[in-house]
Amino acid sequence: RKEVEQDPGPFNVPEGATVAFNCTYSNSASQSFFWYRQDCRKEPKLLMSVYSSGNEDGRFTAQLNRASQYISLLIRDSKLSDSATYLCVVNPFPGNTPLVFGKGTRLSVIA
Amino acid sequence: DAGVTQSPTHLIKTRGQQVTLRCSPKSGHDTVSWYQQALGQGPQFIFQYYEEEERQRGNFPDRFSGHQFPNYSSELNVNALLLGDSALYLCASSLRDRGLTNLGYEQYFGPGTRLTVT
Repeated sequence: RKEVEQDPGPFNVPEGATVAFNCTYSNSASQSFFWYRQDCRKEPKLLMSVYSSGNEDGRFTAQLNRASQYISLLIRDSKLSDSATYLCVVNPFPGNTPLVFGKGTRLSVIA
Repeated sequence: DAGVTQSPTHLIKTRGQQVTLRCSPKSGHDTVSWYQQALGQGPQFIFQYYEEEERQRGNFPDRFSGHQFPNYSSELNVNALLLGDSALYLCASSLRDRGLTNLGYEQYFGPGTRLTVT
């Protein structure tokens, strides 16, 4: 089983739609979780950190289910500018340790 | 407040050559991690530097080496380049010590160096 697995995508959605990405991780002791956004040929940019059961930032909501080892990202009212690849990222160990990335899920928001 | 910077942005090398990539972390950060991202994949951890020493290493051969300087900037060196080394090389900046908490170790990425080996 891969350490971090994501929906393969791509997701093609109309503007204004709600879209959800799912991610599972294999190490039950994992401490912290992140969603990064990566535009084509650019660097990953931190979108959200997820430390407790989840958090919300505007149109974006991340949820964490430790029992099921599952993280999700919900985007409401999708904008054209949300088109990107969304990377699910896990820090399996305490402290400042290497991040483990999923392969990413590509989202295209269509006018 | 300057973010993470990397140089060069693009590089083309021939098999067997050697390359050095550079990174300056975000102001206030003291830890640099290097990642390799092949096309269509998520970034893979190469190694992490803190206090001028390699602290952790991923599953990469000894051809990959690095250095951290007293000003926290870092270099990644790759010797005997192979075609498979073609990738986007990302530097991530973070703060090593956040006190007692295990959380809050966000890593911030530079724009990357795109290496093509022919």
